[in-house]
Amino acid sequence: RKEVEQDPGPFNVPEGATVAFNCTYSNSASQSFFWYRQDCRKEPKLLMSVYSSGNEDGRFTAQLNRASQYISLLIRDSKLSDSATYLCVVMGTGANNLFFGTGTRLTVIP
Amino acid sequence: DAGVTQSPTHLIKTRGQQVTLRCSPKSGHDTVSWYQQALGQGPQFIFQYYEEEERQRGNFPDRFSGHQFPNYSSELNVNALLLGDSALYLCASSWSGQGQISPLHFGNGTRLTVT
Repeated sequence: RKEVEQDPGPFNVPEGATVAFNCTYSNSASQSFFWYRQDCRKEPKLLMSVYSSGNEDGRFTAQLNRASQYISLLIRDSKLSDSATYLCVVMGTGANNLFFGTGTRLTVIP
Repeated sequence: DAGVTQSPTHLIKTRGQQVTLRCSPKSGHDTVSWYQQALGQGPQFIFQYYEEEERQRGNFPDRFSGHQFPNYSSELNVNALLLGDSALYLCASSWSGQGQISPLHFGNGTRLTVT
């Protein structure tokens, strides 16, 4: 079983739609969780950290469910500029315990 | 405030050759991690350098080696290149303050093509 699993998509949504991505992880001892955004042929960029209490940054909301071992990212009022691949990242102790999902491809359509 | 910089941006090599990739971390960061990202996949951890030593290593063969310099910059060396080494190589820097977990900041990457 992979350390981190994501639905690769693609998700094609119209502008203004709400879209949600889920990511599951296998190691219950994982400590930190992040969402990264990666544009085509670019480097990943930190979108937001994910906290146990859930956190929101503008149109983006991240949730963590430790009991079910998944994290989610909700994007409200999708913009064309949100089109990208969203990478789920799960970190335990030590750099070799940091795992990336394969990413979920989102395309926002005019 | 300079972010993470990598060089070169693109590189074409032949099977069996050796390659060196370079990375300068973000200002204030002391830890450098290297990742390999194949097309359509998430980044895979190669190794991490801190205080000029390899601190952690992923599941990569010994053909992959590295170095960190006193100014925190780092090199990734790959010997005896294989076609399967073709990928985007990402350098990420972070801060290893005690008890702190610092998110990674990535450079633009070096796209390596092995022919």
